[in-house]
Amino acid sequence: ETGVTQTPRHLVMGMTNKKSLKCEQHLGHNAMYWYKQSAKKPLELMFVYSLEERVENNSVPSRFSPECPNSSHLFLHLHTLQPEDSALYLCASSQDGTGQAYEQYFGPGTRLTVT
Amino acid sequence: AQSVAQPEDQVNVAEGNPLTVKCTYSVSGNPYLFWYVQYPNRGLQFLLKYITGDNLVKGSYGFEAEFNKSQTSFHLKKPSALVSDSALYFCAVRLPWSSASKIIFGSGTRLSIRP
Repeated sequence: ETGVTQTPRHLVMGMTNKKSLKCEQHLGHNAMYWYKQSAKKPLELMFVYSLEERVENNSVPSRFSPECPNSSHLFLHLHTLQPEDSALYLCASSQDGTGQAYEQYFGPGTRLTVT
Repeated sequence: AQSVAQPEDQVNVAEGNPLTVKCTYSVSGNPYLFWYVQYPNRGLQFLLKYITGDNLVKGSYGFEAEFNKSQTSFHLKKPSALVSDSALYFCAVRLPWSSASKIIFGSGTRLSIRP
């Protein structure tokens, strides 16, 4: 599990705060992902970066802003969140290539609570 | 619409008995299929995947999965359950000849193994 690390592991923030989640992968992968995991809902893909370029944005609210400065680091900037944004935010990485079946490696997640 | 279904929210099995966690999918073409496991306070871990070939795929921790094209299913199985197998299990589908972002997760099945 040390292949993908996430900080902080827990975060409590008010609706007017600005905070950032950090993810780092040590696996030499070229794709990184942010997922939102809420109770009893399918895992929700938020953002994908492949070779540091954002390849898909699944219509996530603009209060979530991703940043991928290089292939090993991924951030999720948060501002003016809503209580319904409280969830476990998971980062993952993988190799990427069209037509390839590479599995993803996940970090332990950041448990976010918006008050 | 393309989707993945895990029809059981929870599966309860006695230790030593065989277990099955069900997954069905609805996608066009021949997808790549994955199973992941999530232990408490951890990220998802890759268990196994089906790409092509033999319909029975073997993975980590003694798990295996059977691909059935006619029934569009990819059920996870283990001949003899352990208490330590208790966790949340996710099925996922990726379309071939698509980018890494085109992966769909099911809503998860909680497996509980009683001693």
